[in-house]
Amino acid sequence: GAVVSQHPSRVICKSGTSVKIECRSLDFQATTMFWYRQFPKKSLMLMATSNEGSKATYEQGVEKDKFLINHASLTLSTLTVTSAHPEDSSFYICSARDRTSGSSYNEQFFGPGTRLTVL
Amino acid sequence: AQSVAQPEDQVNVAEGNPLTVKCTYSVSGNPYLFWYVQYPNRGLQFLLKYITGDNLVKGSYGFEAEFNKSQTSFHLKKPSALVSDSALYFCAVRDFRDTGRRALTFGSGTRLQVQP
Repeated sequence: GAVVSQHPSRVICKSGTSVKIECRSLDFQATTMFWYRQFPKKSLMLMATSNEGSKATYEQGVEKDKFLINHASLTLSTLTVTSAHPEDSSFYICSARDRTSGSSYNEQFFGPGTRLTVL
Repeated sequence: AQSVAQPEDQVNVAEGNPLTVKCTYSVSGNPYLFWYVQYPNRGLQFLLKYITGDNLVKGSYGFEAEFNKSQTSFHLKKPSALVSDSALYFCAVRDFRDTGRRALTFGSGTRLQVQP
């Protein structure tokens, strides 16, 4: 089955530093990847849609200069949290859609998540 | 705009008993509906989806869900719960007319606790 990985799985950083999170589709190509944020005991909130070869589309209220997204290839998208603050601490989850699937409604495949803690 | 409601924060059931996790949705057009399960500190695992066809959808681990258009519901069910089913369950929807963004809208999640 389709596998999506995230690296790192857990990161602790100091306030003011930047952190990069990678999302990879391991056995399929993904034209589109999604980045979600999950607060404790809360649902997933879509942050942005990452499109290979073009700029990401951000949801309302998400600062694009703070959460930099780069979809450099069909198997890799990165989320960089710039100048991180304690309120950025959260669980970040990516998902990917298989571009080769003929279906327009195929399910998204989710990564295992990255827990970011900003001190 | 699309939305999903999961009215129960937590559902408790005894092992061996049937379980139901409720979900209602709202979309402008026809919905694509999904159920995902999340274990602690893990990503989401796909359980099942409804696109079209039979209203009763069977998925992984013995779970099934019934699409009810008149009640705009997509409740998750299992005939006999296992302790290992204890996890956080998310219902999600996408409007089939959304050929652009194609992102999912998630419910708030329901924690299922199965007692031995």
